[in-house]
Order: sequence, then structure tokens, then C-alpha cells
Amino acid sequence: DAKTTQPTSMDCAEGRAANLPCNHSTISGNEYVYWYRQIHSQGPQYIIHGLKNNETNEMASLIITEDRKSSTLILPHATLRDTAVYYCIVRVTYDKVIFGPGTSLSVIP
Amino acid sequence: DARVTQTPRDKVTEMGQEVTMRCQPILGHNTVFWYRQTMMQGLELLAYFRNRAPLDDSGMPKDRFSAEMPDATLATLKIQPSEPRDSAVYFCASGLTGGGYGYTFGSGTRLTVV
Repeated sequence: DAKTTQPTSMDCAEGRAANLPCNHSTISGNEYVYWYRQIHSQGPQYIIHGLKNNETNEMASLIITEDRKSSTLILPHATLRDTAVYYCIVRVTYDKVIFGPGTSLSVIP
Repeated sequence: DARVTQTPRDKVTEMGQEVTMRCQPILGHNTVFWYRQTMMQGLELLAYFRNRAPLDDSGMPKDRFSAEMPDATLATLKIQPSEPRDSAVYFCASGLTGGGYGYTFGSGTRLTVV
């Protein structure tokens, strides 16, 4: 699996967009970018994934650069309930998920 | 919503005792994972199964840990004998290979070994 680099922590004002970056410069052509989050004391939760095109669902948007070496997860209107650790993972779809330390996002009132 | 069910939710046991954690994956999912989470190490993959066959258990201490899937609706993680350093939250997750979607995690079993 390709390695990812994420900032350790970020703050975001409530109601604003939260933009969480991830670098994955060694990503292979068949590896997808996945995002999960973990709210305190809960199990991780799948958010979104993509290969090369930008993706959007009811939770978030995923923007992947054209060279696929980095991506950004966007929470368009962050709420206090979005405070969590966000994990960026790259892998092939049939493989195991290996978690790094992630980004601890604090949404501030 | 379909869920991954883990039991027990919390377990306190004495050092040296056997501990068994159970996981009911989502019906139809063919891949099951066991993870352990501590403050120091974060989320560590212990083992995973596909179609009930173990694929990788390299993250598991072999001398005391064992993971099995007796049938498609049950995965177990056993620790014998337990040690204080095994204290952690243990998560089970399930998913569909090639489904292109993420895996679904259970709420975890919080294990405390005293």
C-alpha cells in the first residue's frame, strides 16, 4: 500500500468548509483513495473514495489532483459533530485497510 | 441500517484469564477484519478473513491470540492467557471484496486486563 501524509491536527469554524489534505505521492495506478473518520470512542466510519475523478456524496467531497499525488476531503459545512480523526488511505479495492495516525479535526463553535 | 455487532461491549478480566470477543459481520459480507486500538499504537490490523479463510494474521501475537470464523455469521478473537498489555479497544469490520465501498466497523469491545 502507498503511504500517506496528513497534518496531525486542524481546526475549522462551525459552518465553514473543512478542507483536509492528504499527500500520496507514491500511489499506484490501481490504488484508490479512501477516507474514513473516527469520532471519539466509536468505530471508524467510511466516508468516500475515488480513483481519479472528483467524487461527492451526502457526507463529503473528494478532490484528487490530476497527477493523483494528493487529494483533499471537503466537508462543506462543518458541524460540531464532525469533530473526529480523519484517515486518508490508499489501497486497491480488494485489499486490507491500514490506518495511519490521521488528522484530528476540531470544529470550533 | 445494517451493522456489525460486537460482543461484549466492555470486558474486565484478570491477567491470565481467557478472553473471547465475538463479531457478527453484515449478512452477505465476505471479508472480516480484526483491529486493535490503543493510544500509543493507534489502529493496528490484527487479522483478516475472506470467505472465512484467514488471509493475513501477521499483526497478531501468535502465542496468545487466535482468530477464527466458525461460520459466515460469526468471527471470534481469543486471547489466552490475557496480559495487561492487551488492554485496548478491539474492532471488527466487514465488507465485500471488490465492492468498491468502504468497510463497516462495529462499535468495538473495550478490554481491560488487570
